[in-house]
Amino acid sequence: DTAVSQTPKYLVTQMGNDKSIKCEQNLGHDTMYWYKQDSKKFLKIMFSYNNKELIINETVPNRFSPKSPDKAHLNLHINSLELGDSAVYFCASSPPPGTEAFFGQGTRLTVV
Amino acid sequence: AQTVTQSQPEMSVQEAETVTLSCTYDTSESDYYLFWYKQPPSRQMILVIRQEAYKQQNATENRFSVNFQKAAKSFSLKISDSQLGDAAMYFCAYRRLNNAGNMLTFGGGTRLMVKP
Repeated sequence: DTAVSQTPKYLVTQMGNDKSIKCEQNLGHDTMYWYKQDSKKFLKIMFSYNNKELIINETVPNRFSPKSPDKAHLNLHINSLELGDSAVYFCASSPPPGTEAFFGQGTRLTVV
Repeated sequence: AQTVTQSQPEMSVQEAETVTLSCTYDTSESDYYLFWYKQPPSRQMILVIRQEAYKQQNATENRFSVNFQKAAKSFSLKISDSQLGDAAMYFCAYRRLNNAGNMLTFGGGTRLMVKP
């Protein structure tokens, strides 16, 4: 009955590889997000989608590409992984008109 | 752009005592939401409390309450009767009202330690 679920929870990969993180929410929310939490615990928005449409794309390298096949899913694909991509990535969703966000459990990505 | 500042990187409190975590924000909007999230070592982000800017009454949730000062753009969290399970990172967050897709802007976090 998990509201926002991400897979995998942990991801260890080598530099240069391509990887994906999947996110699904069963709350019926229109808006979904990807946040990055760095080693200093700072949370920064990467992308925001509303009804499958990209709303916010912060200054994120082109190697990061979100994909929303439907309103309940927002996946994150990362090409040519770099050491600096190591972080915890959170998926979240929120209902209209825009109250709190509900977060997934996070994916700890480690690039070696 | 909105900014959220948490000036206390770390705080410590004795079990059963009261602690207040500070948060200030900058915005030109008049309607918005403010939140406190808790992140325990499990890294799950848990909503602690929410405040709508148009409400003058401070929000409370059991042992958690806020002091919302709109003119001063201040939003502090008070934890009463602190428990060991309250030990976590606490993040203050801001969100504009009624804009599809708009995101939460987070402060840098405060690590709360609870001493037995």
